[in-house]
Amino acid sequence: QSALTQPPSASGSPGQSVTISCTGTNSDVGGYNYVSWYQQHPGKAPRLMIYEVSKRPSGVPDRFSGSKSGNTASLAVSGLQAEDEADYYCSSYAGSNSYVFGTGTKVTVL
Amino acid sequence: QVQLVESGGGVVQPGRSLRLSCATSGFTFNDYGMHWVRQAPDKGLEWVAGISIDGSTKTYGDPVKGRTTISRDSSKNTLYLQMNSLRVEDTAVYYCTKGSEFDDWGQGTLVTVSS
Repeated sequence: QSALTQPPSASGSPGQSVTISCTGTNSDVGGYNYVSWYQQHPGKAPRLMIYEVSKRPSGVPDRFSGSKSGNTASLAVSGLQAEDEADYYCSSYAGSNSYVFGTGTKVTVL
Repeated sequence: QVQLVESGGGVVQPGRSLRLSCATSGFTFNDYGMHWVRQAPDKGLEWVAGISIDGSTKTYGDPVKGRTTISRDSSKNTLYLQMNSLRVEDTAVYYCTKGSEFDDWGQGTLVTVSS
């Protein structure tokens, strides 16, 4: 159950786009279409932003989108806004009713 | 609206036990699998344990396997996490979360394992 690999940081100016990668293996990201993304502001609980690779829960802006290719999933945030500055985590189903999270990426809005 | 409220955290000595609770409301508890996720200070999220809708299937992350038991009480709409033989590295905020997408989260309860 090794953590999925994410870049430690990403940044962009307001209005620009940023993309975060999440790399796993054939046993998790590559094996299932059950990748989710969470946003976490300091001192707050995580918030679901994307599930099943590319689906958005109600209330999540369409500026957030998800995709997957092979063992790597990605979260794209377009039209960056100040409130998008947060930590982002991916997660994946890993078989046998188990899950694994990514290492986390701190997004900074310059 | 959906509410998940964790409790039971605190300061405990290494080797001791602790039981966390997660009281839920605003959704049909019996329709969802439930999970515990933890976050050590200034660290990332870590999946701890999960339980199926009917409680028959329980799975655990490697770091807590053999020391931890997840359970649920449908009469109280409450999720539990019994943690035994606690270690310093179990220090974390423990969140309960709902469903296979972890679509709602509680505010977390802090467990500090220290002598």
